[in-house]
Amino acid sequence: EIVLTQSPGTLSLSPGERATLSCRASQSVSSTYFAWFQQKPGQAPRLLIYSASRRPTGIPDRFSGSGSGTDFTLTISRLEPEDFAVYYCQQYGTSPWTFGQGTKVEVK
Amino acid sequence: EVHLVESGGGLVQPGGSLRLSCVASGITFSSHWMHWVRQAPGKGLMWVSKINSDGSSTDYADSVKGRFTISRDNAKNTLFLQMNSLRVEDTAVYYCTRALGTLDDWGQGALVTVSS
Repeated sequence: EIVLTQSPGTLSLSPGERATLSCRASQSVSSTYFAWFQQKPGQAPRLLIYSASRRPTGIPDRFSGSGSGTDFTLTISRLEPEDFAVYYCQQYGTSPWTFGQGTKVEVK
Repeated sequence: EVHLVESGGGLVQPGGSLRLSCVASGITFSSHWMHWVRQAPGKGLMWVSKINSDGSSTDYADSVKGRFTISRDNAKNTLFLQMNSLRVEDTAVYYCTRALGTLDDWGQGALVTVSS
């Protein structure tokens, strides 16, 4: 099973600041099969990024993903109030599909 | 617009059974792989199971293999998860998801509580 480790656990930032979230895999993951999700309290997760760097329709361009191999990054260029949430990375190239433990982005 | 609506959650004793359903609308249900993902209270996400578009191929997380069965009825646009021999650690919100590549669309979730 591929283990995904996210850092930091919590990120305390102010609106307008840049957020950088990291995810490290225990073995190499094809960038084609790497995703990021956002989850707000009481809501289902929402797909933000797929194939490491591609945004689904409707996702703002302040969200960007990068990385390859074992190291991947989600960047939020300027935090909006609605961006404070928990973010999960995920690999879907190898069964079982696995998630990171999450990074909480909170208001400083 | 895609809608996935889960039902069937509730309180069950350890060792008991429960069947979750998920009705899909706004999509050609029979064309898509479907998955179940769960989230224990205050915890992260865990992939549970998947099924291909015609129901001929399934896969499970090790922790539920042999106890859970995923199935679908394409004529009724419905996904199922039969959960047997439930354990306290199966307590979670169970999400039905539609996969285009990864888990692209999610239902609102169904809470399953396993407790005596």
